[in-house]
Amino acid sequence: DQQVKQNSPSLSVQEGRISILNCDYTNSMFDYFLWYKKYPAEGPTFLISISSIKDKNEDGRFTVFLNKSAKHLSLHIVPSQPGDSAVYFCAAIPRWGADGLTFGKGTHLIIQP
Amino acid sequence: DTAVSQTPKYLVTQMGNDKSIKCEQNLGHDTMYWYKQDSKKFLKIMFSYNNKELIINETVPNRFSPKSPDKAHLNLHINSLELGDSAVYFCASSQGRAEGEQYFGPGTRLTVT
Repeated sequence: DQQVKQNSPSLSVQEGRISILNCDYTNSMFDYFLWYKKYPAEGPTFLISISSIKDKNEDGRFTVFLNKSAKHLSLHIVPSQPGDSAVYFCAAIPRWGADGLTFGKGTHLIIQP
Repeated sequence: DTAVSQTPKYLVTQMGNDKSIKCEQNLGHDTMYWYKQDSKKFLKIMFSYNNKELIINETVPNRFSPKSPDKAHLNLHINSLELGDSAVYFCASSQGRAEGEQYFGPGTRLTVT
């Protein structure tokens, strides 16, 4: 059973426009939500996170929104740049218990010139 | 300066063999992890470990065993390799739970023939 779901395997966005990546979760015990970015043949790298007590966190061109009632979060990238082309993983971790991240399946973002 | 390193990067071996993958982190973190990314691209936690506790994902076969000679290393030993073990294995580290922010190695692609 997937506790973190990314229903879009891929997303194509024009350079300079906004990229919106979506993620849904089912486990109410998740306390922090994170986005990781992954290039081919490399490990995931941390991008941005949000605590369950917030609904928005912003870092430069990246903003993550959390809607707890809908169990939904999204990552906005604006403006999108060619270097943003990568696979983006949504991840979550509960407040207590095991320390491992629960990942979604990833969304391949392609920024077109 | 590589923060989390893994060796080897590629590993091709036959069914039934025993192999190890090494992981080292120079970040001074106290918690390390192993993740498996299967052919469907799911990234799943296998183990989390600090100097106090090893937490094993219940779905991991006991042919897999993590070994930590010291705080900076967490090696993954696999006995009696099976075809289904073919995957990319990622090591990661963090300082405590770190609200989920983990640093990943580049991955080891294991192919079992």
